[in-house]
Amino acid sequence: TQLLEQSPQFLSIQEGENLTVYCNSSSVFSSLQWYRQEPGEGPVLLVTVVTGGEVKKLKRLTFQFGDARKDSSLHITAAQPGDTGLYLCAGAGGNNRLAFGKGNQVVVIP
Amino acid sequence: ETGVTQSPTHLIKTRGQQVTLRCSSQSGHNTVSWYQQALGQGPQFIFQYYREEENGRGNFPPRFSGLQFPNYSSELNVNALELDDSALYLCASRYAGGRIGSNTEAFFGQGTRLTVV
Repeated sequence: TQLLEQSPQFLSIQEGENLTVYCNSSSVFSSLQWYRQEPGEGPVLLVTVVTGGEVKKLKRLTFQFGDARKDSSLHITAAQPGDTGLYLCAGAGGNNRLAFGKGNQVVVIP
Repeated sequence: ETGVTQSPTHLIKTRGQQVTLRCSSQSGHNTVSWYQQALGQGPQFIFQYYREEENGRGNFPPRFSGLQFPNYSSELNVNALELDDSALYLCASRYAGGRIGSNTEAFFGQGTRLTVV
């Protein structure tokens, strides 16, 4: 059973378009992290959200943490081919162990 | 680059063999976690080491074991390898200070790709 459900699992868009991917759970987390992973590499941390309702921006990426701290979204504005990758969300639980979703595979076509 | 290094980067083993994977944590970090990422899946928590002791374990059998050394580097050992153990094994390190707000975020190494044939 996956603690965190990410949707859509796969998304292909044209360069310049906007996209939003989602991370949902029935559990409450003390914090939630978003990573981007490229093939054969380890996940690279993008952002950590802690407070319910929090919004963080990282250049063209906007991350939002739900009010109840159970879900999150990632919005990319004017996607670039360099945004291609697997986006993983992870909730921090006891002992700060991370519970990951399966990821959102994003492909941006030039 | 995160400062977390793993070795080897790739490994091929035969079913039934044993394997040891290594992780050097980022300078200043005292906690190491190991994750298994099968193809098409998110990373799954195996266990975590803090100050040389295991302090958290996921749903993995006892043939998955580990060590943490005084310099906070770590090893993951897997005995009696099975075909389903083929995966990317990820190590993540962070600093755990014991006080609220003193913990840092986890940073991952590039992983070891294990193939069991």
